[in-house]
Formats: sequence, C-alpha cells, structure tokens
Amino acid sequence: EPEVTQTPSHQVTQMGQEVILRCVPISNHLYFYWYRQILGQKVEFLVSFYNNEISEKSEIFDDQFSVERPDGSNFTLKIRSTKLEDSAMYFCASMQDRGLSYEQYFGPGTRLTVT
Amino acid sequence: AQKVTQAQTEISVVEKEDVTLDCVYETRDTTYYLFWYKQPPSGELVFLIRRNSFDEQNEISGRYSWNFQKSTSSFNFTITASQVVDSAVYFCALSGINDYKLSFGAGTTVTVRA
Repeated sequence: EPEVTQTPSHQVTQMGQEVILRCVPISNHLYFYWYRQILGQKVEFLVSFYNNEISEKSEIFDDQFSVERPDGSNFTLKIRSTKLEDSAMYFCASMQDRGLSYEQYFGPGTRLTVT
Repeated sequence: AQKVTQAQTEISVVEKEDVTLDCVYETRDTTYYLFWYKQPPSGELVFLIRRNSFDEQNEISGRYSWNFQKSTSSFNFTITASQVVDSAVYFCALSGINDYKLSFGAGTTVTVRA
C-alpha cells in the first residue's frame, strides 16, 4: 500500500540553524500539508500546498517557514532560523484530488529538537 | 473559524470495558468532514474514520462505532470491549471544503489496563 514517507525521523539542531524536513507524498496525490505537534499538545495545521503554491497557511507559518516541491516528488518544509519553540513533531500529509477522497494520509513524522 | 473540543483529557479503563470519547465541533460551513485519528505511543497518526456532514448514519467497524449527531454538533467514538492495544491518544478533527485542512481537538488519552 502506498504511504507518505518523511526524513529524517529525528533531527537535532542548534538554535538559529536552518533545517529542511523532507516528505515524499503518495505519488498521485495533489494536495500537500504540513502539521506540527508540540510534545503533549494537539496537532496544529501549518500550511497547505496545491498546484505548486501555498493555498492556506496558519499564523504559526511566519516568514521563518517556507515550503517547496522542488522536483515533483519531494515536498519540503524549511525553517530558516530555528528557535527553541520550534521543537515539535512535524507531520506531512497528502490527499488525493478532491471528489475522489477527502482522507489525508500522514507520514510517520519528523521529531525536531532545537537546543 | 472551526473548533473541535474534546473535553476528556484522559480516560483509564480496565480491559473489556467500553469507552466513549466525546467530540464537539463548531463550524460555519454547511458542508464539512469529521475525522477520528489514533496516535499510538509510537507517534504516528492513524486514520480511523471520516464522516460527511450530510451523512448522519452511524457506523460500526469491528469494536469501533461512531455516533454523529448534527443537532448537537457531536461526533462521539466508542470502543467496545477495550483491549490494551487500544491505549493511545485519540484525536477528533474537522475540515471544511476549501482546502480540507484539518482542525484537531486536543486529544483524549486512553489507557487500557490489563
């Protein structure tokens, strides 16, 4: 069964460093999402991406964040200058075209630790 | 704005007991989707069910059942004859029909003791 994959599974970085979290969505999916979950808290929406552009972003997704689909298969989340409060689990999700399925398939997550 | 409330923070039961998780939602959309996800200790998010706002039929899948009541904006989830493997955090979520982003509740931690 096709699945969303994410790399790395765990990333440790120092405050102020740039990080790139990588996701490979399911191949025929058209909608892509990033969510984050601070330890012990709920899952929060960050950004949605469709047709090579951001379709919606949350207040959390400020200028320090960016997303890209550089090669038609990967979907990346970049944090330009990490802060301690960026420590969280980051989940990528993808969804097939609307009208076919409204289910978002989640990757296993990347645990980001900022020290 | 969309909001999902899971008032129960933690529920602890003994194996074979039934457990019901409450979910109340708020939305201005007339068409929307409701979901339940399971997050086991390993951390991944496992899809359990999706309901459309126009389909109030309740659903049963094995030991899981869901009760959707539009009149009270609730989408409750029951695990019948709970097992230790059911121990997890369960999230209720809501999406509209614009870009389908999910708004999650705070989650309910279910602990099933042997």
